[in-house]
Amino acid sequence: LAKTTQPISMDSYEGQEVNITCSHNNIATNDYITWYQQFPSQGPRFIIQGYKTKVTNEVASLFIPADRKSSTLSLPRVSLSDTAVYYCLVGVGIGQAGTALIFGKGTTLSVSS
Amino acid sequence: DADVTQTPRNRITKTGKRIMLECSQTKGHDRMYWYRQDPGLGLRLIYYSFDVKDINKGEISDGYSVSRQAQAKFSLSLESAIPNQTALYFCATSDFGVKRNTGELFFGEGSRLTVL
Repeated sequence: LAKTTQPISMDSYEGQEVNITCSHNNIATNDYITWYQQFPSQGPRFIIQGYKTKVTNEVASLFIPADRKSSTLSLPRVSLSDTAVYYCLVGVGIGQAGTALIFGKGTTLSVSS
Repeated sequence: DADVTQTPRNRITKTGKRIMLECSQTKGHDRMYWYRQDPGLGLRLIYYSFDVKDINKGEISDGYSVSRQAQAKFSLSLESAIPNQTALYFCATSDFGVKRNTGELFFGEGSRLTVL
């Protein structure tokens, strides 16, 4: 299972763009990169998933370089409600059998006014 | 009603007692998971099941056992609870294969267990 490394914590202010980078040096060919968000006392919820290059949805963008050994979650114009823990996972995605998903310790993002 | 339901939501028990945490889902997913969360340690995978006949150990399975009674039900048992098993436990499900999907995990609301 590919191991991920993220910063333990980050601070930001409302309205700023936040970029959280995750390292996954031993990512496998079939592995997808998925990011989750977790609020206190709640289960994590899916934010975005990608395999290569760039993926964008209504809440975030995910940038993945060609070597796929890292990825960056970009949150545009954060608000106080984006204060949460963000997890980067590397595992199998669409239509694939195999490994379960391992969470690391995540990155605690604190947004201030 | 929640798609992934965990019972009980809160439980206080004593050392040495047997405890069962139950999880049921209405999403029709094949895959189910049990995670444990401790402050500052993120989520750690205890057991997972890819279908009714498949049970696999995760990162921290010692002291725990599971039962997949049906596609929709996955129970976690602590045969003899100890204080360091005090934690927040999450059940999750995901889909696989037939439909195009992301393998997204859907979590229950958590079961907070305190072992005295």
